[in-house]
Amino acid sequence: EAAVTQSPRSKVAVTGGKVTLSCHQTNNHDYMYWYRQDTGHGLRLIHYSYVADSTEKGDIPDGYKASRPSQENFSLILELASLSQTAVYFCASSGQGRENERLFFGHGTKLSVL
Amino acid sequence: GDSVTQTEGQVALSEEDFLTIHCNYSASGYPALFWYVQYPGEGPQFLFRASRDKEKGSSRGFEATYNKEATSFHLQKASVQESDSAVYYCALSENTGANTGKLTFGHGTILRVHP
Repeated sequence: EAAVTQSPRSKVAVTGGKVTLSCHQTNNHDYMYWYRQDTGHGLRLIHYSYVADSTEKGDIPDGYKASRPSQENFSLILELASLSQTAVYFCASSGQGRENERLFFGHGTKLSVL
Repeated sequence: GDSVTQTEGQVALSEEDFLTIHCNYSASGYPALFWYVQYPGEGPQFLFRASRDKEKGSSRGFEATYNKEATSFHLQKASVQESDSAVYYCALSENTGANTGKLTFGHGTILRVHP
């Protein structure tokens, strides 16, 4: 079974502080993604990556940076956290070709910015 | 840009009821369509997909048929169980051949099934 592990599972941050969310996958997948989940908005793509040391902007990248130091690891960085970034964040991975549309998600990180 | 609309925000049913969750899409090309399910405390899970007109996707008793003319991909199940209580997401992929795996999700439908 494909495995995507996120840490931490929950975090409370202060406005203006730096937050790093981590994701590790053992699926040997090339593609990794960060999605944000908000009530009433569903899931929205923040950043994604298809190879180590390279990241791409998704649909809502403002206020977020991403880092892909290796195939297995993908981080989401909030340099200056804001109240509006309170949400649940999901990391996902997928394989090549047609299989890269089948996403395997982690359990999510609940972020509260106060 | 592309978008996915799920008509129902919440659905409440009793066990053995028939389920329909409506999904309509707007896309410039010929997208692939998906259903994902999210159980409490977990991340979304792939349910099934369809990539061409009139193709039926199915899994675990759920099914949906790609309707290009109506731009729809409605989820159905003949007899729901309490264990089906979850959030259901309809999604599309641009299917441009670039195979980026980027999905556009609907807002989700919360299904509650009462015993």
